[in-house]
Amino acid sequence: EIVLTQSPGTLSLSPGERATLSCTASQSFSTSYLAWYQQKPGQAPRLLIYGASSRATGIPDRFAGSGFGTDFTLSISRLEPEDFAVYYCQQYGSSSWTFGQGTKVEIK
Amino acid sequence: EVQLVESGGDLVQPGGSLRLSCAASGFTFSSYWMHWVRQAPGKGLVWVSGINSDGSITNYADSVKGRFTISRDNTKNTLYLQMNSLRAEDTAVYYCIRGRSSGDYWGQGTLVTVSS
Repeated sequence: EIVLTQSPGTLSLSPGERATLSCTASQSFSTSYLAWYQQKPGQAPRLLIYGASSRATGIPDRFAGSGFGTDFTLSISRLEPEDFAVYYCQQYGSSSWTFGQGTKVEIK
Repeated sequence: EVQLVESGGDLVQPGGSLRLSCAASGFTFSSYWMHWVRQAPGKGLVWVSGINSDGSITNYADSVKGRFTISRDNTKNTLYLQMNSLRAEDTAVYYCIRGRSSGDYWGQGTLVTVSS
């Protein structure tokens, strides 16, 4: 089973700043099977990125995914107030899903 | 509009059973893989189970294998999760999700509490 490790655990930034979130896998896998989600308190997660770099429907272009192999990154170019949330990476393999433990992006 | 509406969450005693349902609308349910993911209070997301479009393939997390059963009724556009031998550590919000390799639509979740 592939383990996903997200870093940092918490990111303290100000609106307008750039956020860079990391997701590292215990072994390499296809970029087709890496996704990123955003979750706000009391809400269900929302798909942001699939296939490592493709934005889901309605996701603004300040969100960008990149990476391959074992190292993946979610970048938010300029943080808007509504972007402060928890972000999870997720991997698909052997017909099951694995999630990272999450990165909280909080207002500094 | 795609909608996934979970129901069936409740307070149940350890060792008890519960069946969750997820009513789907706004898309061709019978064409999609579906999954259940849970989230314990204040914790992260954990995949529970997945099922292919016609119900012939099912997969489970090791933590629920042998206790939980995923199924679907494509005539009723409904996904199910039968949960038996429930434990305190099964306490969580359970989400129903559409998709195979990633989840593009999520329900609002239903809370399962296992406690005496």
